[in-house]
Amino acid sequence: GENVEQHPSTLSVQEGDSAVIKCTYSDSASNYFPWYKQELGKRPQLIIDIRSNVGEKKDQRIAVTLNKTAKHFSLHITETQPEDSAVYFCAASASKIIFGSGTRLSIRP
Amino acid sequence: SAVISQKPSRDICQRGTSLTIQCQVDSQVTMMFWYRQQPGQSLTLIATANQGSEATYESGFVIDKFPISRPNLTFSTLTVSNMSPEDSSIYLCSARTSGRRDYNEQFFGPGTRLTVL
Repeated sequence: GENVEQHPSTLSVQEGDSAVIKCTYSDSASNYFPWYKQELGKRPQLIIDIRSNVGEKKDQRIAVTLNKTAKHFSLHITETQPEDSAVYFCAASASKIIFGSGTRLSIRP
Repeated sequence: SAVISQKPSRDICQRGTSLTIQCQVDSQVTMMFWYRQQPGQSLTLIATANQGSEATYESGFVIDKFPISRPNLTFSTLTVSNMSPEDSSIYLCSARTSGRRDYNEQFFGPGTRLTVL
């Protein structure tokens, strides 16, 4: 079955700097790659996604890249702000969504 | 997007008892799922709830322990049976929409926080 690995597990960046989270997946049939943000005590919220026919997608300060050959995908957050502090999960899906282990992002003021 | 609600939001139960969690979606969805999230951990898929037929369980999860129903396109239940303290976790319902613009987008309910004493 699908296996999704995510790194790093924790990340601390200075406010205004960029943050990058990287994931790899194992199932070559995966064709949908969502990213979720989960704040403490809240449900996961979809923040951006990318499909296998696209290599890059951007939404304001957030961008995702996908390398299908290498089975890598990444989340990039630029100009980080305190409200970006949360746990971020990557995921991969062929028919069902399988999550990575999560990255706890902290933004230092 | 789909709005998903769950009941109860939390419960404290005695070991050996069972709890049924309800999930309601505000629109017809193609697929519904149940996940478990233990404290500080990621989300683990328990099963896919199939309308009108038996759920499809992931490795490590069995129907006798986690019976699931999905009588229609907008409602599902998950029962945690014969509970033990190891079942203490947050249980999340999830649903996938299937419109042309947002196919594959999957949304989550608020979760049910279960504590087993």
